[in-house]
Amino acid sequence: AQSVAQPEDQVNVAEGNPLTVKCTYSVSGNPYLFWYVQYPNRGLQFLLKYITGDNLVKGSYGFEAEFNKSQTSFHLKKPSALVSDSALYFCAVRSPRNMLTFGGGTRLMVKP
Amino acid sequence: GAVVSQHPSRVICKSGTSVKIECRSLDFQATTMFWYRQFPKQSLMLMATSNEGSKATYEQGVEKDKFLINHASLTLSTLTVTSAHPEDSSFYICSAKKGITEAFFGQGTRLTVV
Repeated sequence: AQSVAQPEDQVNVAEGNPLTVKCTYSVSGNPYLFWYVQYPNRGLQFLLKYITGDNLVKGSYGFEAEFNKSQTSFHLKKPSALVSDSALYFCAVRSPRNMLTFGGGTRLMVKP
Repeated sequence: GAVVSQHPSRVICKSGTSVKIECRSLDFQATTMFWYRQFPKQSLMLMATSNEGSKATYEQGVEKDKFLINHASLTLSTLTVTSAHPEDSSFYICSAKKGITEAFFGQGTRLTVV
């Protein structure tokens, strides 16, 4: 069975500083990994995905994620955080049945 | 990106009644739609997967007779919560995908059963 772990319930960062939201995964076979963002009372918005190719994946709103096979990690990063980035972030892995398994979510708080 | 519309965004219903939530893919034909439930401050739990024209596949622990899913066309799936109870109050989110593309999510429906 596949699983995703987001070890931090909340990440606090000052505006303008770099941010990292951590994600580790466990799958058999090649991982298809995703990051989504959720604003209050809204559905999920797709940020980026890793299927194959370069380990550094660039996505929406200046976010990027680094796939590390040896550490089974797919951390989300942004060089300079904005207050508007404050939201709930979910890492997910897609199964061969095309179902997404989500991590528990990490709340990102960016303070001015 | 593709647009998935979910309706209604909020609904309040009385205990014992049924409520229907619609999920539409507006600019693409969705071969597969997924229904998730999200409890406060928790992650999304997959409830069921539906393919157009066939019966939905429910995850373990999800009552089929309580959460009726219909995927009658390539652009519409509905989730009906039957005989709703307060414990069914939650945030329900649908997603839709075409082929091997990534899934696109609706904006969610907050259901409150009083």
